[in-house]
Amino acid sequence: ETGVTQTPRHLVMGMTNKKSLKCEQHLGHNAMYWYKQSAKKPLELMFVYNFKEQTENNSVPSRFSPECPNSSHLFLHLHTLQPEDSALYLCASSQAASGYEQYFGPGTRLTVT
Amino acid sequence: GENVEQHPSTLSVQEGDSAVIKCTYSDSASNYFPWYKQELGKRPQLIIDIRSNVGEKKDQRIAVTLNKTAKHFSLHITETQPEDSAVYFCAASSTGGFKTIFGAGTRLFVKA
Repeated sequence: ETGVTQTPRHLVMGMTNKKSLKCEQHLGHNAMYWYKQSAKKPLELMFVYNFKEQTENNSVPSRFSPECPNSSHLFLHLHTLQPEDSALYLCASSQAASGYEQYFGPGTRLTVT
Repeated sequence: GENVEQHPSTLSVQEGDSAVIKCTYSDSASNYFPWYKQELGKRPQLIIDIRSNVGEKKDQRIAVTLNKTAKHFSLHITETQPEDSAVYFCAASSTGGFKTIFGAGTRLFVKA
């Protein structure tokens, strides 16, 4: 696999479930991101990790919990979500946290029932 | 806080016409300005970018202009084709900074 991959591609979960989204980049980049994309906010930054350290949390509710074990992997742990959290979740990576092109994954389409 | 405003939110043009999308940014430290294209059901992908040491950059039918004094930059697409139909996002960031700020996107329709 090349570029940025995300699994699963589709996820349906109940409000009481716990699930995780996974992102992996094969580009040797040092920064990784989570974005939420919905009709209301086309590209909403959630978290930024630079060299495995979280450098940005854009006032995201605690029911979203990111984890970055190394520069190539990024997770988003989900628990007790709300229906309004249904959206496309995009992962991206770049050479550094700012000033460089971002490479996006295909996204995970999340539906909360 | 830092902000990038993008206009228009929707743009409809006839095939062969030109399309222009404009963005303004607030952080004077910004020095990198990429444009991303997102086709329906696909991921956003970079189509062109410009750094603050140049005022214009072209790549075939696509060009970007930057006015640092006015803090604004624009995407120009000439001889539009139906496959140019997509959502376009502008963004601004600074080398050594901590995040990229995206505009709200422009949905471009090219009518055949």
